[in-house]
Amino acid sequence: EAQVTQNPRYLITVTGKKLTVTCSQNMNHEYMSWYRQDPGLGLRQIYYSMNVEVTDKGDVPEGYKVSRKEKRNFPLILESPSPNQTSLYFCASSPRAGIGTGAYSNQPQHFGDGTRLSIL
Amino acid sequence: EDQVTQSPEALRLQEGESSSLNCSYTVSGLRGLFWYRQDPGKGPEFLFTLYSAGEEKEKERLKATLTKKESFLHITAPKPEDSATYLCAANYGGSQGNLIFGKGTKLSVKP
Repeated sequence: EAQVTQNPRYLITVTGKKLTVTCSQNMNHEYMSWYRQDPGLGLRQIYYSMNVEVTDKGDVPEGYKVSRKEKRNFPLILESPSPNQTSLYFCASSPRAGIGTGAYSNQPQHFGDGTRLSIL
Repeated sequence: EDQVTQSPEALRLQEGESSSLNCSYTVSGLRGLFWYRQDPGKGPEFLFTLYSAGEEKEKERLKATLTKKESFLHITAPKPEDSATYLCAANYGGSQGNLIFGKGTKLSVKP
């Protein structure tokens, strides 16, 4: 079954304790992305990756790190979590756009089921 | 500033009562306008992609349309199972990979 898998689904932790949220996709997609979803603010992009070893900042990258060492995995790292990072996080992936379009992100993204982080 | 605005924030319909959801966008170099459905506790589920003004796509009771400034999601004779939050998102040309979401419209369909 084609899917994007996030772990953990729920986590309660304390300020300053480093954590990693894993994301894995089994669709051989080039593009992967992380979002956070907050009430009244909607989905906001944190980081995205066009392919292995290629990452770039989204709209709200402060306090987060990512890496893309393998095509299928795109972990989100919070080096020193703070309460304002309490949120619902989604990972997404999509295939590369068709040859000739020159655009990587025209394809719809497939989302995981989310990770709810609470940082006390 | 690039932005996507959805209206209304919430919509209550009776079963069978058709309506439309609006998504207006101001982005430079639109590369695709996406509609998603999100159920509570789940990730967004893809519905449609629209690329150019005048384009229309249909799926069951849903029909998405696109103009140069906005997109509409028309819901014909909705059923209670259509209750969800509907999100639109614009992929724009400022930087590859950028996708900006609206805040969504929460649709409730009562039997």
